Amino acid sequence: QVQLQESGPGLVKPSETLSLTCTVSGGSISSHYWSWIRQSPGKGLEWIGYIYYSGSTNYNPSLKSRVTISLDTSKNQFSLKLSSVTAADTAVYYCARWLQEIYDYWGQGTLVTVSS
Amino acid sequence: DIQMTQSPSSVSASVGDRVTITCRASQGISSWLAWYQQTPGKAPKLLIYAASSLQSGVPSRFSGSGSGTDFTLTISSLQPEDFATYYCQQTNSFPHTFGQGTKLEIK
Repeated sequence: QVQLQESGPGLVKPSETLSLTCTVSGGSISSHYWSWIRQSPGKGLEWIGYIYYSGSTNYNPSLKSRVTISLDTSKNQFSLKLSSVTAADTAVYYCARWLQEIYDYWGQGTLVTVSS
Repeated sequence: DIQMTQSPSSVSASVGDRVTITCRASQGISSWLAWYQQTPGKAPKLLIYAASSLQSGVPSRFSGSGSGTDFTLTISSLQPEDFATYYCQQTNSFPHTFGQGTKLEIK
C-alpha cells in the first residue's frame, strides 16, 4: 500500500519561500507522476503541478513563475518550493500520485499559514 | 483553463435517499472526469474515474455517468458515512481543475 506524507514548516512569512517535502513509502518514486495540490477556503482545490520520475515537470500557469518541484529518488521523496508567498498562499497542501487518469494516493495534507 | 461547475453547491438528504450531483465543464473533456469524496480534515478520496469507472473498494451505490461537458454522480441509497463534500475534477488538459464542491448534509 502506497503512502504519502507531507512535511515542512506550518508558518511562513510573507515574501519568503514555502518549502514542503513529500515522503513516499510502500512503493518506489522511480515511476509514475508525483503532484502537489492545495486547498484554501477562497480558491477551493487547486492543482499546483507534477514531476515525472524522469525529472520532467509541468506547473499551473497561474503559479509557474514561483513554483519548483523536484525529486530525490535516493530518499523516495519529492519537494515543493513556492517563492514570494503572500496570505493568498495560505492553504492545506497535499501531495498525491497521478496515474494518467486519476490521483489515487494522497497525503493527509499539511496546513501552511503565511503570516508575519 | 477548463472551468468545472458543480450543482447544487449543497444538498440536504436523508439516509436511504437517492442523490444526484452534476458537474459541467466549460469545454469538452471526453470522459476525463473523476469524482472525489472529502470529509473534514481528510484528503479527497477517489470514487469514480473515467466518468463512470468505480475505483477499487468503493461501494457500488456510487455511480457516475456522462461525457463531453455534462456529468453526474449518483448515490443510490445514502448511508450515514456518505455525508461529505464531493468534488469533480477534469484531467483532460492542464492545469487539471476541480469543481467548487457539493456539500451533502443530513436532513
